[in-house]
Amino acid sequence: GAGVSQSPRYKVAKRGQDVALRCDPISGHVSLFWYQQALGQGPEFLTYFQNEAQLDKSGLPSDRFFAERPEGSVSTLKIQRTQQEDSAVYLCASSLWVAAGNTIYFGEGSWLTVV
Amino acid sequence: DQQVKQNSPSLSVQEGRISILNCDYTNSMFDYFLWYKKYPAEGPTFLISISSIKDKNEDGRFTVFLNKSAKHLSLHIVPSQPGDSAVYFCAASDTNSGNTPLVFGKGTRLSVIA
Repeated sequence: GAGVSQSPRYKVAKRGQDVALRCDPISGHVSLFWYQQALGQGPEFLTYFQNEAQLDKSGLPSDRFFAERPEGSVSTLKIQRTQQEDSAVYLCASSLWVAAGNTIYFGEGSWLTVV
Repeated sequence: DQQVKQNSPSLSVQEGRISILNCDYTNSMFDYFLWYKKYPAEGPTFLISISSIKDKNEDGRFTVFLNKSAKHLSLHIVPSQPGDSAVYFCAASDTNSGNTPLVFGKGTRLSVIA
């Protein structure tokens, strides 16, 4: 596709349930990012991949959060044992080359509500 | 510790007038700045960027100004149109520190009134 594609668009999870969020970056983009955006806040960095290598995961809020990009294209963000504070929009973004000095392009986001 | 600050949560402007959105940053290593626009239920879309070697970048109705000494940038939209109503995010990065991610402000909601 032409843009970054994310699925599901909307997910309601019961507290304690595991969720998996998928991101298809723009074809050929080397870098892929996950951001979390809570209501009324700006996007907060979670993790970054260059091809299949996870170069930075400093923003992951706890060890319940795990991301992978095994073949350097599609990425999955997994949240185990979801908590109410995990409710947010999870944004995936990609850029053609490395992050620094380049524009990153966002998907529409996966809206997670934990009840 | 917010490194990128957008101190005005909202702004209302009449159609045809100038909209000025402001952004301050604290990290003096930031040298690349971007503005993103976000409509409800959509992801942020890139609007305009500026490198620290410049103090102005213009693209149609949108101009970004950078004042490095004040660690301040602003986005000017002129003339403002109702379709410009959205949340605008300022973002910054340090291109000399490897692959550091973009750091975002909390956003300013712009309402352009017809």
